[in-house]
Amino acid sequence: EVQLVESGGGLVKPGGSLRLSCAASGFTFSSYDMNWVRQAPGKGLEWVSSIRADNSYIFYADSVKGRFTISRDNSENSLFLQMNNLRAEDTAVYYCAKAGAGYLYFDLWGRGTLVTVSS
Amino acid sequence: EIVMTQSPATLSVSPGERATLSCRASQSVTSNLAWYQQKPGQAPRLLIYGASTRATGIPARFSGSGSGTEFTLTISSLQSEDFAVYYCHQHNHWPLTFGQGTQVEI
Repeated sequence: EVQLVESGGGLVKPGGSLRLSCAASGFTFSSYDMNWVRQAPGKGLEWVSSIRADNSYIFYADSVKGRFTISRDNSENSLFLQMNNLRAEDTAVYYCAKAGAGYLYFDLWGRGTLVTVSS
Repeated sequence: EIVMTQSPATLSVSPGERATLSCRASQSVTSNLAWYQQKPGQAPRLLIYGASTRATGIPARFSGSGSGTEFTLTISSLQSEDFAVYYCHQHNHWPLTFGQGTQVEI
């Protein structure tokens, strides 16, 4: 089955860190760009970060640049998001999303993992 | 940053009626525009990419049009399962950006 499964969310205090993981299955993970998209409670979608299939480019939203690090392990079919110095405004459901072939629309999404930043 | 503006914010439609959703980009995104559907408690689902190409498994009642800065998503005859929030998304320029969403309600 083609799917993405996120894990690693939870409750963390402001200034804390968390590492999200996304396990991919059912497709050739190493052939596709991958992304993180988040959604604050009751709000719209916000792109967070993208990483090319071969790691040749990485981009971040300004809101997370310098605090978040995206990475991938093509041998393990996994995507990661290391989140440091977390803020209350980072509270959101974080989705892992696969890009379409050669483009950056998102044709496969995971169910998401909730990150809550609160003291 | 390219700002994506969707209208209306909320669209009230009866089952069987046609729904027309708009998305405007603050500068040209050529045809690199996608539409997603999101139901409560679920992840978004890709409906349309390349402004007008239906994704795999998407019913023919969903259609997309436009290029440059003006885009439209049309649902020709609303079914009960179509009541949801719809987002447009430009993937022509970094940073990638989404519209704020249109809620389609009964």
